[in-house]
Amino acid sequence: SQTIHQWPATLVQPVGSPLSLECTVEGTSNPNLYWYRQAAGRGLQLLFYSVGIGQISSEVPQNLSASRPQDRQFILSSKKLLLSDSGFYLCAWNRVGTEAFFGQGTRLTVV
Amino acid sequence: SQQGEEDPQALSIQEGENATMNCSYKTSINNLQWYRQNSGRGLVHLILIRSNEREKHSGRLRVTLDTSKKSSSLLITASRAADTASYFCATDGSNYQLIWGAGTKLIIKP
Repeated sequence: SQTIHQWPATLVQPVGSPLSLECTVEGTSNPNLYWYRQAAGRGLQLLFYSVGIGQISSEVPQNLSASRPQDRQFILSSKKLLLSDSGFYLCAWNRVGTEAFFGQGTRLTVV
Repeated sequence: SQQGEEDPQALSIQEGENATMNCSYKTSINNLQWYRQNSGRGLVHLILIRSNEREKHSGRLRVTLDTSKKSSSLLITASRAADTASYFCATDGSNYQLIWGAGTKLIIKP
């Protein structure tokens, strides 16, 4: 069966520090991969999506970047965090036209 | 971008009552999906309805889709305390993205 792992669950980082959030998928190949951010009590904002290794599409200009070094690995990064980067980050995968499967999320607090 | 819109934004009902949430969207779709999110957790898929379907059932869930009005509704019958969560609709358009609504926060009072 397919599973998705996202870590860490919570993270407190100082302003200006780097960020690396990792997401891995098991049990499937060539998934579409997504990074979302969710503000408290709000919907999902798509940050990046990827349809294949090295293929990254960005939805909003921001302080973040994403990479897909392997088929089932998706990494969200920042060189220097801003206070506004705080939020709940969700990784997800799916195939076109089917349901999406989400990781448990990472609560990032930039202080 | 957020093209789906759920209403109401929040809904509070007594346990045992039915809960109805609505979703509207703007562009043509291939399918529409509903998800549930418990506080501080990831989203869990509930049901997918294709554009050529009008109604779909799954346990206590009933989803309807009206493509002429570009709207969908999610009905939860005989609500339970465990149904307390936020509910989101998502549409799958012509590209790889899922377009999400802002969600309905459902509270079931014991």
